[in-house]
Order: sequence, then structure tokens, then C-alpha cells
Amino acid sequence: QLHLQASGPGLLTPSETLSLTCTVSGGSIISSASYWGWIRQPPGKGLEWIGNVYYTGSTYYNPSLGSRATISVDTSKNQFSLRLTSVTAADTAVYYCVPMGDGYNPAWFDPWGQGTLVTVSS
Amino acid sequence: DIQMTQSPSTLSASLGDRVTITCRASQSITTWLAWYQQKPGQAPNLLIYAASTLKNGVPSRFSGSGSGTDFTLTINSLQPDDFATYFCQQYNTYPITFGQGTRLEIK
Repeated sequence: QLHLQASGPGLLTPSETLSLTCTVSGGSIISSASYWGWIRQPPGKGLEWIGNVYYTGSTYYNPSLGSRATISVDTSKNQFSLRLTSVTAADTAVYYCVPMGDGYNPAWFDPWGQGTLVTVSS
Repeated sequence: DIQMTQSPSTLSASLGDRVTITCRASQSITTWLAWYQQKPGQAPNLLIYAASTLKNGVPSRFSGSGSGTDFTLTINSLQPDDFATYFCQQYNTYPITFGQGTRLEIK
């Protein structure tokens, strides 16, 4: 059973860079899913897809974030990461790392870990 | 981008009721649609994918239907555990998009 845990600083000031790492356990990042995704949810609001990465490093991003988001993968550590530059208060959210359904691209997301809250405040 | 619109935004119902939540896509997504349930303070949980395929372990009182642009999530005989927020998600094309959510509350 796959388990994903996102980790990183919980508090940032505006203009800083958000860096989160997702550690995958219970399976290999190479073979357990087609793509690995980042999704965020501002407090009390809906879900926004940020982007996906394949174990080869191939990526897809949400155009709404412009060029601020970068997702990378480290197969040796069974991890993938999110970097979001020039954060503002609008980037305050719970950030989830989630595997995408195997065999499809794009696909549904399952299973979801608990997520990590990132707050941007001066 | 494909816009996903759910209705209603809030739904009040009683234990034992049958309820239906609608999700409409701004263009055809064939059956590339998933439904999630989210309880307060928890991460979303996948219920249905491919518009009507129930994830293993999800109670059979949940069902999904639809194709093209119009989809429904039906819950038969509401149980206390079902009062939550429900989201639809299209995965026909990138960027992946979600509906705004439907909050199911106890009447």
C-alpha cells in the first residue's frame, strides 16, 4: 500500500521560494504509478492541480502558475519535490502529493496522504 | 482549460435519503471523470473513476454515471459517514481541473 508524506517549511514570507519534498513508501517511485502529482487546497476552498512528474523527469504543469512551479524527482531517494518561487498570500494552502492512476495520463489521484499546510505571511 | 461546474454547492439531506450531485464539463471529457469525498480536516479520498467505476472498498450505495459533459454522483440511503464535501475531477486533458465542491450537510 503506497504511502506518501509531504514535508517542508510551514511558514514563508512573501517573495520566498516554497520547497516541499514528498517521500514515497510502500512502493517504488519508478513502478508504482504513472505520474506523481502535487495538488493544493487553500483553507476552506477547492482543489487546484499544480503539476505532475514521471520517474524519468517528464513533467506537466498548470499554466495558471506561469513558470513559478518546478517539479523534480529523485529515484535514488524515492522522492519527488515541488519548488514554487515568489510566493504570495494566495499560495497559502495545504499541499498534497499524490500518485496518479497507473496506466493513464492524465488520470485520477489515489491514494492521498495527509498533506502539509504552508502559510505565506509577512 | 476545461471548466468543471458542480451543483448544488450545498445540499441538505437526512439519513436514509437518496441524493444526487451533478458535475458538468465545459466540453466533452467522454468518461474521464473521478469523484472524491473529503471530510473536514482530512485529505480527499477517491470514490469513483472512469465516471462509474467504484474504487475497491467504497460502499455500493455510491454510484456514478454520465458521459460527455454531464455526470452525476448518487448516494443511496445516506449514512452518517457520508456527510462531507464531494469533488469531481476531469482527466481528459491537461491541465487537470476540479469542480468547486458540493458540501453535503445534515438537514
